[in-house]
Amino acid sequence: DTGVSQNPRHKITKRGQNVTFRCDPISEHNRLYWYRQTLGQGPEFLTYFQNEAQLEKSRLLSDRFSAERPKGSFSTLEIQRTEQGDSAMYLCASSLDVGGWYEQYFGPGTRLTVT
Amino acid sequence: GDSVTQMEGPVTLSEEAFLTINCTYTATGYPSLFWYVQYPGEGLQLLLKATKADDKGSNKGFEATYRKETTSFHLEKGSVQVSDSAVYFCALSNTDKLIFGTGTRLQVFP
Repeated sequence: DTGVSQNPRHKITKRGQNVTFRCDPISEHNRLYWYRQTLGQGPEFLTYFQNEAQLEKSRLLSDRFSAERPKGSFSTLEIQRTEQGDSAMYLCASSLDVGGWYEQYFGPGTRLTVT
Repeated sequence: GDSVTQMEGPVTLSEEAFLTINCTYTATGYPSLFWYVQYPGEGLQLLLKATKADDKGSNKGFEATYRKETTSFHLEKGSVQVSDSAVYFCALSNTDKLIFGTGTRLQVFP
């Protein structure tokens, strides 16, 4: 069990550019979540997948954001035409849904800075 | 919508002092409640949880009791250590996603 990994750990981009982040969940976990955390705030839910199906999207996820989880393994989060307000830590978490409550394990995050 | 309110930090304590971090929530139904901790330079980790009213979650000397009548889930520890210095997040889950509070930074000095 190597834990949840995220790449890159840091990304600096210019406004208007597109960026893509990757999350590799714990191998047997079927659920994968994306959250965003701005400075001084708690994480905010963006979206989650059960296997390859995207089951819920937050209203925070504007049409510039898209997430995929092909084949139910790793996931990518793409932000198109980045804005300065997109600067945040993007967190990925995974869990194993076996019925009832299931712990979400978090990755270290990708810190995005839009200049 | 559902929400979590935490006391603002930082909370500054001497080693071996008693810790309380207040957390209250607003939610429909019967959410599960959690405390997560984020140590410097590390990812979020689950500290403890409670899934129904009057449940007490505990771990590493920390405790919190799910109080439905006061919609609270306060975090306590009888004797803090320097190594407990971190940011603590209260959270709830009604379905699948977690809803977090803003976090409370704890600083413990020797």
